[in-house]
Amino acid sequence: QVQLQESGPGLVKPSETLSLTCTVSGGSISNNYWTWIRQPPGKGLEWIGYIYYTGSTNYNPSLKSRVTISVDTSKNQFSLKLSSVTAADTAVYYCARVRLMSPIGPWGQGTLVTVSS
Amino acid sequence: EIVLTQSPGTLSLSPGERATLSCRASQSVSSSYLGWYQQKPGQAPRLLIYGASNRATGIPDRFSGSGSGTDFTLIISRLEPEDFAVYYCQQYGKSPVTFGGGTKVEIK
Repeated sequence: QVQLQESGPGLVKPSETLSLTCTVSGGSISNNYWTWIRQPPGKGLEWIGYIYYTGSTNYNPSLKSRVTISVDTSKNQFSLKLSSVTAADTAVYYCARVRLMSPIGPWGQGTLVTVSS
Repeated sequence: EIVLTQSPGTLSLSPGERATLSCRASQSVSSSYLGWYQQKPGQAPRLLIYGASNRATGIPDRFSGSGSGTDFTLIISRLEPEDFAVYYCQQYGKSPVTFGGGTKVEIK
């Protein structure tokens, strides 16, 4: 059974770059799509983007100018970079597996990233 | 993008009662691509319903989904204590994937 675990700094300064990694266990990262979703405290869910194991990506237009999602098949990991962060980027960030035109899952447990000086 | 509007924002009910949650889309969503998730505090969302009306693996039959076009409904036939949570609809047929704002089902 595939399991996902997010990792990365819990605190990022404004204007800097948020970087998170998702490690996939219990299955191969190959032949799948992988996605990032975020949830500001007390608010709803926002899809950030997804990546295919080949490196092909699709981003939410609202974040596209600041987002980079990459994949490292040798480590069974994929990563998120979000540049020029502000307090509005404070959220729990989830990684998950997704199949095209399918619901999202399984999900990682999520990691809270706070943007503050 | 497709905007999903959920109502009501909060539903106050007692265990054993029936819950009816609505999800309305700003444009038509193929019913094949509409899902419902449950989220409890401190946890990731859990898929309940996919394809508008199909229960995900392990989901009790008190949960049911229906609808088409722009109007979708999640019904919990008899609320159990563990059902008090926030529920989100999601469309995954058109990029960008979007979620509704959520309905909180709370204990009355």
